[in-house]
Amino acid sequence: KQEVTQIPAALSVPEGENLVLNCSFTDSAIYNLQWFRQDPGKGLTSLLLIQSSQREQTSGRLNASLDKSSGRSTLYIAASQPGDSATYLCAVKSSGDKLTFGTGTRLAVRP
Amino acid sequence: NAGVTQTPKFQVLKTGQSMTLQCAQDMNHEYMSWYRQDPGMGLRLIHYSVGAGITDQGEVPNGYNVSRSTTEDFPLRLLSAAPSQTSVYFCASSNSRSSYNEQFFGPGTRLTVL
Repeated sequence: KQEVTQIPAALSVPEGENLVLNCSFTDSAIYNLQWFRQDPGKGLTSLLLIQSSQREQTSGRLNASLDKSSGRSTLYIAASQPGDSATYLCAVKSSGDKLTFGTGTRLAVRP
Repeated sequence: NAGVTQTPKFQVLKTGQSMTLQCAQDMNHEYMSWYRQDPGMGLRLIHYSVGAGITDQGEVPNGYNVSRSTTEDFPLRLLSAAPSQTSVYFCASSNSRSSYNEQFFGPGTRLTVL
């Protein structure tokens, strides 16, 4: 059974800092990995999707990497801003279209 | 495109009552699913559907029923609500035919069972 872990559970950084969020998964036989952002009381917004054959994806200040063999993904946020404060979730697709989610990293960026 | 829509946004039920959470998507996606989100437990899959007329159970299906009569709609029914079903419910959809296969989520329904 696929298990997804996100460390740390919470992170507080000053504005402008570069930061890395971690995601690890137990079964390396994945189709893709998706990073989401969730604001308090809101739904999930897709940030980046990395196919199993890819090593990384970039969107603006966000860069996600994937090392399938070691079961790890990282989400790099450059020059963090208070508006980046949210919970970040990673999810892996292992079979069919079902996603297995981590429990998220709650990020606070202090002005 | 409206994307994935869910109604209602909020609902309070008494134990034993039944209700249906509505989900619709206008992207012609084959795959649709329901998750519940609870503090400290992440999102867990309740039921999913790979196309009209086809549904299957996820990780936590007990107490819930689904049907998929059209591509667009995937309602979730609570047959006899229990306090353990207090949660936030999310519906999602994706294009199974696409190799990219990104999943899109609705805004959620916040359910409280008293």
